Amino acid sequence: GNSVTQMEGPVTLSEEAFLTINCTYTATGYPSLFWYVQYPGEGLQLLLKATKADDKGSNKGFEATYRKETTSFHLEKGSVQVSDSAVYFCALSDNNAGNMLTFGGGTRLMVKP
Amino acid sequence: DSGVTQTPKHLITATGQRVTLRCSPRSGDLSVYWYQQSLDQGLQFLIQYYNGEERAKGNILERFSAQQFPDLHSELNLSSLELGDSALYFCASSLHTDMTYNEQFFGPGTRLTVL
Repeated sequence: GNSVTQMEGPVTLSEEAFLTINCTYTATGYPSLFWYVQYPGEGLQLLLKATKADDKGSNKGFEATYRKETTSFHLEKGSVQVSDSAVYFCALSDNNAGNMLTFGGGTRLMVKP
Repeated sequence: DSGVTQTPKHLITATGQRVTLRCSPRSGDLSVYWYQQSLDQGLQFLIQYYNGEERAKGNILERFSAQQFPDLHSELNLSSLELGDSALYFCASSLHTDMTYNEQFFGPGTRLTVL
C-alpha cells in the first residue's frame, strides 16, 4: 500500500534560518505529491504540489522537488518567519486509488523571533 | 476560506451515543472526502463520495457510515461512540475526474469529544 514518512518534530528555528523537512514515500503507482500546512485551530491548506517526477512545486517561498529516484519530496525554505509556525504534512495521491490523500505524520515547526 | 463548510464546529457527547457531522462542498465540486485526525492515528482517509455514489473506502469503522445527498452535501454518521473516537473530522471536496488529480479543499473540521 501507499505510505508517507516525514521527519518528526518539533523543529525549532530562529527567524531567517533555513528550513528543510524531509519526506519520503512508498507508492504502487505514479502518485502526485503535496505539502499541506495546518495553522493552529484551522483546517489544512494546500501549500504546494508536484504531479510528476522532477517537477518543482513552489509557493510563498517554500519549494519541494519530486525525486522519483529517491522517492522523496523534501520541503525547503530559505528564510523562515515567525508566521510560518505551523504543522506541515507531506501527502500523496494515487490516481489509481480514487485520489484520496495519504498523509505523513506531520512536522510541527516553531520559529522564534 | 476554502469554501467548504462543516457543522458543528465542536461536539461533545457521551460514550454509546450517535452523532452526525455535516459537510457542504465548494460550489461545483462533485467529490467529498472524509478524514479523521487523531493524536495516535494521525490523519487518515475514511471515505469518499462522488456525485452521490461511494467511490473509495479507507480505514472507516463499521460503526461509521456516510452518504452524499442529491444537493451534494455529505453527512458522516458515527454510532456507538467510544472514547477513542475523539478526534478532529475533516471534510474535503474536489471537482474530481478519473483521469486527472483535482485539488482537495479542506473544511475547518469538526472537533468531536467523547466523554
